[in-house]
Amino acid sequence: EAGVVQSPRYKIIEKKQPVAFWCNPISGHNTLYWYRQNLGQGPELLIRYENEEAVDDSQLPKDRFSAERLKGVDSTLKIQPAELGDSAVYLCASSSIGGEKLFFGSGTQLSVL
Amino acid sequence: AQTVTQSQPEMSVQEAETVTLSCTYDTSESDYYLFWYKQPPSRQMILVIRQEAYKQQNATENRFSVNFQKAAKSFSLKISDSQLGDAAMYFCARFGNEKLTFGTGTRLTIIP
Repeated sequence: EAGVVQSPRYKIIEKKQPVAFWCNPISGHNTLYWYRQNLGQGPELLIRYENEEAVDDSQLPKDRFSAERLKGVDSTLKIQPAELGDSAVYLCASSSIGGEKLFFGSGTQLSVL
Repeated sequence: AQTVTQSQPEMSVQEAETVTLSCTYDTSESDYYLFWYKQPPSRQMILVIRQEAYKQQNATENRFSVNFQKAAKSFSLKISDSQLGDAAMYFCARFGNEKLTFGTGTRLTIIP
C-alpha cells in the first residue's frame, strides 16, 4: 500500500512568487494534516482536515497561506506571495479519524530567495 | 501552550552501546499518547515507538524502549545496541486535542 505522497520534493522560488504543494494521503484516511518544519525545529501544525472540512486552522497565516481538500482526498497548500521566512520543510500527514497514529510524507523543502 | 521539551540538542553514542534521549511534556489532559519519531536525512518522519498514557507498562519495540513517568511528565527513549542506521534526528511528540505536538528534536550520532 502506498504511503503519503507529496510533491514536489524541492522548490526554489524568489520572494513574492506564489507556490503550491500537493499531498495525497493514505487511502481511507479521513484526517489530513499540514505541518511546517523550520530548520533545526520540530514540525508545527498549520491546518487539520476532517474529510473536506478544515477543523483546525488556527495556526495558518491566513493573509498569505491557503489550503484546500476537495472531495476529502488530495490536498493543496498554497503560499501567495512567499516571503523569505517561509523557507522550511512542509510535511503532510494522514490518519484515520480520531486516530493518534500519523503517517507522514517525505515533505517539500521550500527555499525562498 | 502545551509544550514538549527535549533538552538535548545533540547526543552521540558508540556503536553497540546504549543511549537515552530525554523528553518532558506539559498537558492538562488525562488521556493522551506519546511518541518517538525518527527523521533521517530523507525527511520522512518514521514512528519508532508509541505509549498510551493510561498504560503504566513501558512500551518496547525490539531495541527501543521507553521510560514513562506520568506523574513527572517524563518520557525518555532508550536505544540498546546502537547501530549506524540509528543516526538521525529524534523527535518526542504528544498527541492530544486531535493533534500531534513535537519537541525540538535531538540529533543522534553513532560513532563507529
